[in-house]
Amino acid sequence: QVQLQQWGAGLLKPSETLSLTCAVYGGSLSGYYWSWVRQPPGKGLEWIGEINDSGSTNYNPSLKSRVTISVDTSKSQFSLKLSSVTAADTAAYYCARLDPATGINFDYWGQGILVTVSS
Amino acid sequence: QSVLSQPPSASGTPGQRVTISCSGSSSNIGSHYVYWYQQLPGTAPTLLIYKNNQRPSGVPDRFSGSKSGTSASLAISGLRSEDEADYYCAAWDDSQYWVFGGGTQLTVL
Repeated sequence: QVQLQQWGAGLLKPSETLSLTCAVYGGSLSGYYWSWVRQPPGKGLEWIGEINDSGSTNYNPSLKSRVTISVDTSKSQFSLKLSSVTAADTAAYYCARLDPATGINFDYWGQGILVTVSS
Repeated sequence: QSVLSQPPSASGTPGQRVTISCSGSSSNIGSHYVYWYQQLPGTAPTLLIYKNNQRPSGVPDRFSGSKSGTSASLAISGLRSEDEADYYCAAWDDSQYWVFGGGTQLTVL
């Protein structure tokens, strides 16, 4: 059974860089896209971006200038960095898997981490 | 403001059939598959419907999805109290990114 476990700092100050990592257990990184999705408190889901095992990425145009997603296949992990955070970046951040071969997308999710940006 | 439009709320009584709509455009729903997710309070979303109308194993056949043109719908029949949750639609957009609906909060009266 595939499991995604994520971690990272939960409290940041404005202008700092958000950094989260998601580890994949029980499955391979290969053949899938790995994504980050966020959800501000009381609001809907927003896709941040995705990466595959080769390092090919796609980003949400609204966040592209501040987002970097990377992958470490040796550790079966992928990471998110979001620079110059503001209070508007306060949200629960989730990692998730996409399967382009079957089209079964966002089938596995991490547990989520609440990141709060506050001075 | 979400790219895909959903009603903010829906409700029904136990046993009833309810539908949740999701409206997009030719660049997302009109050209690509629609996905539906259920999110219970305080938990991560879970996949409910993929590729417009396919159910992952373990999802009851009370849940069904459909798509027509630039709109899609999620139907829940035989409504149960445990169906009370937030529901989100999603689709890939031709601009090379995933778009989500704003979510619909379903209340079982």
